[in-house]
Amino acid sequence: SQQGEEDPQALSIQEGENATMNCSYKTSINNLQWYRQNSGRGLVHLILIRSNEREKHSGRLRVTLDTSKKSSSLLITASRAADTASYFCATGAGGTSYGKLTFGQGTILTVHP
Amino acid sequence: DGGITQSPKYLFRKEGQNVTLSCEQNLNHDAMYWYRQDPGQGLRLIYYSQIVNDFQKGDIAEGYSVSREKKESFPLTVTSAQKNPTAFYLCASSRGTGYGYTFGSGTRLTVV
Repeated sequence: SQQGEEDPQALSIQEGENATMNCSYKTSINNLQWYRQNSGRGLVHLILIRSNEREKHSGRLRVTLDTSKKSSSLLITASRAADTASYFCATGAGGTSYGKLTFGQGTILTVHP
Repeated sequence: DGGITQSPKYLFRKEGQNVTLSCEQNLNHDAMYWYRQDPGQGLRLIYYSQIVNDFQKGDIAEGYSVSREKKESFPLTVTSAQKNPTAFYLCASSRGTGYGYTFGSGTRLTVV
């Protein structure tokens, strides 16, 4: 079952602009993670935010989490052409889930030089 | 360098044939996972394992089988019972609940 839904499905911006991607989910979570995938490659882990956190930063990335609205956003500031990729959110439950993640459909980001 | 290796990168399967995809990690991670990705889609969980000799079915396990005889290795067999196996297969490992995944570079399987 797909828990995460991402919006928009595709985003096209100019270099230097900010990019914002949103993720909504349906059930309670232990953590939410964002991944990046370049075409035809494996995914790369970007950032993890736990359910008791509201905001987290890593370099040009800012992630927010609103558990009351069951939503998260990923902001990439001052985007570069090299940021062109697909971005996925993934949710993790606690307990005996063995760390398994449920991935969204992804947002395709294109950054034009 | 620590990492996770998938092989082969490309694999072609004939009708009625079983094929095995390799996944090896040297990160000392306990948990390992197999996902399937179809074009323009997200990832769907096939099987996962937390410890040696233990594994659980994911959302789309039918037509697939796995083994976990060693901590480092988690091979996936795509059996002839899987009617639509053409996809990109991704293996990942992690320390477990609350940790991020390290992914391999994937195996692209095509039915010929």
